[in-house]
Amino acid sequence: RKEVEQDPGPFNVPEGATVAFNCTYSNSASQSFFWYRQDCRKEPKLLMSVYSSGNEDGRFTAQLNRASQYISLLIRDSKLSDSATYLCVVNTPGSNYQLIWGAGTKLIIKP
Amino acid sequence: EPEVTQTPSHQVTQMGQEVILRCVPISNHLYFYWYRQILGQKVEFLVSFYNNEISEKSEIFDDQFSVERPDGSNFTLKIRSTKLEDSAMYFCASTRGGILEQYFGPGTRLTVT
Repeated sequence: RKEVEQDPGPFNVPEGATVAFNCTYSNSASQSFFWYRQDCRKEPKLLMSVYSSGNEDGRFTAQLNRASQYISLLIRDSKLSDSATYLCVVNTPGSNYQLIWGAGTKLIIKP
Repeated sequence: EPEVTQTPSHQVTQMGQEVILRCVPISNHLYFYWYRQILGQKVEFLVSFYNNEISEKSEIFDDQFSVERPDGSNFTLKIRSTKLEDSAMYFCASTRGGILEQYFGPGTRLTVT
């Protein structure tokens, strides 16, 4: 089983649609969870940290279900500029806190 | 807003040559990381650095790799004898605390010919 698994992509959706990304992680001791977005040939940029209670930032909502080891990201009213690859990232416990990355889901918003 | 910077943005080198990739992490951050991303593949952890020493390294980070924080600001990744398969984007990241979000530099594209 992969450490962090995401929906395979790409997702092609029309502008204005709602998009949902799902992610599962294998290490039940994982402590921190993030969604990053990555544009083509650019660095990953932090989109949101994901908290147990769920959190919202404008059009973006993130949810965490520790019991199911599942993380989600919802984008409402999608815009052309949301086109990117969305990466689910989990922080592992231990002395190093390295990030474990999902393979990412490519999102293409069509006008 | 403070950001991580990296130089050079693109490095072309011949197989067998040594390269040094440079990073300036965000100034009040304490944990530093190198990641790489081969074109079309996922981001892979290389090494973490805290309190002036390596705290963990991956299988990729073999004897040809080394890291250094020679002064209070720079964080470098050295590849001693580059191979074709080292061609990738190399990202530096930093964070204030281990479990907190990491911030990435723009990356160095390394091309080994």
